[in-house]
Amino acid sequence: ETGVTQSPTHLIKTRGQQVTLRCSSQSGHNTVSWYQQALGQGPQFIFQYYREEENGRGNFPPRFSGLQFPNYSSELNVNALELDDSALYLCASSLGGLPSSYEQYFGPGTRLTVT
Amino acid sequence: DQQVKQNSPSLSVQEGRISILNCDYTNSMFDYFLWYKKYPAEGPTFLISISSIKDKNEDGRFTVFLNKSAKHLSLHIVPSQPGDSAVYFCAASNAGGTSYGKLTFGQGTILTVHP
Repeated sequence: ETGVTQSPTHLIKTRGQQVTLRCSSQSGHNTVSWYQQALGQGPQFIFQYYREEENGRGNFPPRFSGLQFPNYSSELNVNALELDDSALYLCASSLGGLPSSYEQYFGPGTRLTVT
Repeated sequence: DQQVKQNSPSLSVQEGRISILNCDYTNSMFDYFLWYKKYPAEGPTFLISISSIKDKNEDGRFTVFLNKSAKHLSLHIVPSQPGDSAVYFCAASNAGGTSYGKLTFGQGTILTVHP
């Protein structure tokens, strides 16, 4: 069984640029959630994708967007990067028979630094 | 608005003794609670969960207690081992509602188990 993988591991971008982060879900999982974890804080929910549709969104602006593909892998896109976007971005996959699934399994994260 | 709070940033325990990590929540709609463990440079790892219809759930050395009237849960680790040293996150979800499997996390507690 393959776990959740994320790429890249680390990324440095300049303010105003755009970034794409990628996630491959655990085998058999059809739901992907994205979280932002700032230093010293717990992860904060960005949004969730279920069967290629956005299925809930946290308190993040529209410049945070995502996609889920037919193989259930996912991308997180952030436009017009700001310094406060510097954080660890975590992807979590789960099996959603219903749109919600609470036991989520996390990847190692992508560390984004905006300068 | 911190709906899930872990008021102890850190906890230090001797090997073999009990570790008790605490978590409080304010949203009465939460009906499913989880604990995650996180090592540096890794994503959070699911540890144990409890539904609001129960007040206790055990898995080996780990037991989670839920006090709904006090909106409080705790994680007991007995006996504690040096390998348990990590950051522990409490998370909550409204599994039966419309929050789409969104997990709301606390800020985390750093557990250090000394040999």
